[in-house]
Amino acid sequence: QVQLVESGGGLVKPGGSLRLSCTASGFTFSDYYMSWIRQAPGKGLEWVSYISRTSDYTSYADSVKGRFTISRDDAKNSLYLQMNSLRAEDTAIYYCARSEYSEGYSDYWGQGTLVTVSS
Amino acid sequence: DIQMTQSPSSLSASVGDRVTITCRASRSINSLLSWYQQKPGKAPKLLIYEASTLQSGVPSRFSGSGSGTEFTLSISSQQPEDFATYYCQQTYRTPHTFGQGTKLEIK
Repeated sequence: QVQLVESGGGLVKPGGSLRLSCTASGFTFSDYYMSWIRQAPGKGLEWVSYISRTSDYTSYADSVKGRFTISRDDAKNSLYLQMNSLRAEDTAIYYCARSEYSEGYSDYWGQGTLVTVSS
Repeated sequence: DIQMTQSPSSLSASVGDRVTITCRASRSINSLLSWYQQKPGKAPKLLIYEASTLQSGVPSRFSGSGSGTEFTLSISSQQPEDFATYYCQQTYRTPHTFGQGTKLEIK
């Protein structure tokens, strides 16, 4: 069955860095666009970034542009989010999700990994 | 960016009630609108995609309609397991913005 498992979250100081991973199984990873979506504690969902099937196209929310980098390794069935210059407002649960195409809906989501930015 | 506005922000309903949630886009998004259900401590779950197509496995009491800028999610007969927060999302243009959510509570 389709599974997405995020990892790499934790406590980091403001200005620090963290790399999130999302490991996929149960489907052909290279056939899908992949996204990161986050949710601050008690708040709504915020789309963060996505990457095309061949990594030739990426897009970012303005709130993370220039600080976060999305990437993928199809040989490892893995999606990544490199987060630099972290701020308190980046504190959130980070979910990865898959889509069949660039305008596509996210039909499967991981369970999320919590990132806390605090001194 | 395309702004998505849901109404109401919260809603109290009884089991068996018909419930309707509205999502408005700041510009036309054709039918590239999805609805998600989220329960506390869980990841969002896809209910409806492309405005009106029911995701496999989702009960038929859920339905979606609309195109352009105005969309609705309806639950024909609210069940106890439907009490959750609902989000719309547009995938017409990046950033793929979400509505602020509608929390459906038991009356």
